[in-house]
Amino acid sequence: QSALTQPPSASGSPGQSVTISCTGTSSDVGGYNSVSWYQQHPGKVPKLMIYDVSKRPSGVPDRFSGSKSGNTASLTVSGLQAEDEADYYCSSYAGFNVVFGGGTKLTVL
Amino acid sequence: EVQLEQSGVEVKKPGESLKISCRGSGYIFPGYWIAWVRQMPGKGLEWMGVIYPDDSQTRYSPSFEGQVSLSADKSINTVYLQWSSLTASDTAMFYCARLSGLWHTGVYLDSWGQGTPVTVSS
Repeated sequence: QSALTQPPSASGSPGQSVTISCTGTSSDVGGYNSVSWYQQHPGKVPKLMIYDVSKRPSGVPDRFSGSKSGNTASLTVSGLQAEDEADYYCSSYAGFNVVFGGGTKLTVL
Repeated sequence: EVQLEQSGVEVKKPGESLKISCRGSGYIFPGYWIAWVRQMPGKGLEWMGVIYPDDSQTRYSPSFEGQVSLSADKSINTVYLQWSSLTASDTAMFYCARLSGLWHTGVYLDSWGQGTPVTVSS
């Protein structure tokens, strides 16, 4: 199965909003409401930011939001802060298996 | 508090075998699938497979089927990732993570181990 498609990079200035896309197929993103997003700072362990397309775990700021339309899911970070600079990975259930996106490096300018 | 504690740094030679571990605590360990995720140097996350500690059911990513083996010992809350013959391309960080949610409706990795770095070099 192929990895989900994410842009390699995204950027925004502090206070701005940025949206990262994650494109799959009807066999993964489009077929299930099972998209999750992970944040990974350099040298650190990935952290769950969004699950079930748009739900936030306890402790994740509400500046992070998720959505999905067809085969494309999106992560929006509003009110960008310096600490949001990290790699972001989407993931989707794909029929008794899971597939990750290639990752997007978010830079806060 | 949910915690996943992984075994330490490994440095091996090509052709050697290896078994790394992931021990869970703070929750009912047998009741949650555990996933293994590979991250090669400077690269993204790759799903390797999952194991259900209660009955050792496994599901492998097609990319890793036959390349690695997952096992579990629920009596000590531990799962394992094993190679029979390492190659240089197995050099990576390996994470275990707890899978929450339900298959078909929504699954996600809500707690991660600290990672086990594996280096394979002659």
